[in-house]
Amino acid sequence: AQSVTQPDIHITVSEGASLELRCNYSYGATPYLFWYVQSPGQGLQLLLKYFSGDTLVQGIKGFEAEFKRSQSSFNLRKPSVHWSDAAEYFCAVVFGNEKLTFGTGTRLTIIP
Amino acid sequence: DTAVSQTPKYLVTQMGNDKSIKCEQNLGHDTMYWYKQDSKKFLKIMFSYNNKELIINETVPNRFSPKSPDKAHLNLHINSLELGDSAVYFCASSQAGGGSGANVLTFGAGSRLTVL
Repeated sequence: AQSVTQPDIHITVSEGASLELRCNYSYGATPYLFWYVQSPGQGLQLLLKYFSGDTLVQGIKGFEAEFKRSQSSFNLRKPSVHWSDAAEYFCAVVFGNEKLTFGTGTRLTIIP
Repeated sequence: DTAVSQTPKYLVTQMGNDKSIKCEQNLGHDTMYWYKQDSKKFLKIMFSYNNKELIINETVPNRFSPKSPDKAHLNLHINSLELGDSAVYFCASSQAGGGSGANVLTFGAGSRLTVL
């Protein structure tokens, strides 16, 4: 069955530290992959997307993500987090011609 | 300029009432969506319209009725509200519809519905 999984419900990181949020999917081919961020009380903002080509994609706010076909993963990274990065992060996937399907989200807390 | 705007932002109402949430996009997109985010932050698509035609209708109670008067507007009407309808409802739009993987959705800020 097609699915998208974010294994970490909640992650806490110190300000200035590096960050990696995990996203895995189950699908027989390469889906279209997205990361969205939801700040408290806000809508969802697209951070980056992968359709094809270079497997390392750059996004807004200093984020990047790497598609690894062998691991069926699309992990989100940032080398140094800022307090303003505290938010809920959603991995989302389009399988074939299906609709956009979201993971369950990872809540990021930043400590001083 | 707000790209996708929803009103109201907050809505508190009693069980059994009927309420509507409005959505408008000024991006010139062809497709609009309604997503529901529950208390655990899980996002699930409810409906999708492409040029005023319904293309996605997930398993949603028929108390929920979307209406698209034109491709820039998609309203959500809910009859006989129940406690379980309490959630944040997000409107979104995209340039290409029909389930194309090239879609990039632009979301509104959400409408928080609380049913008492």
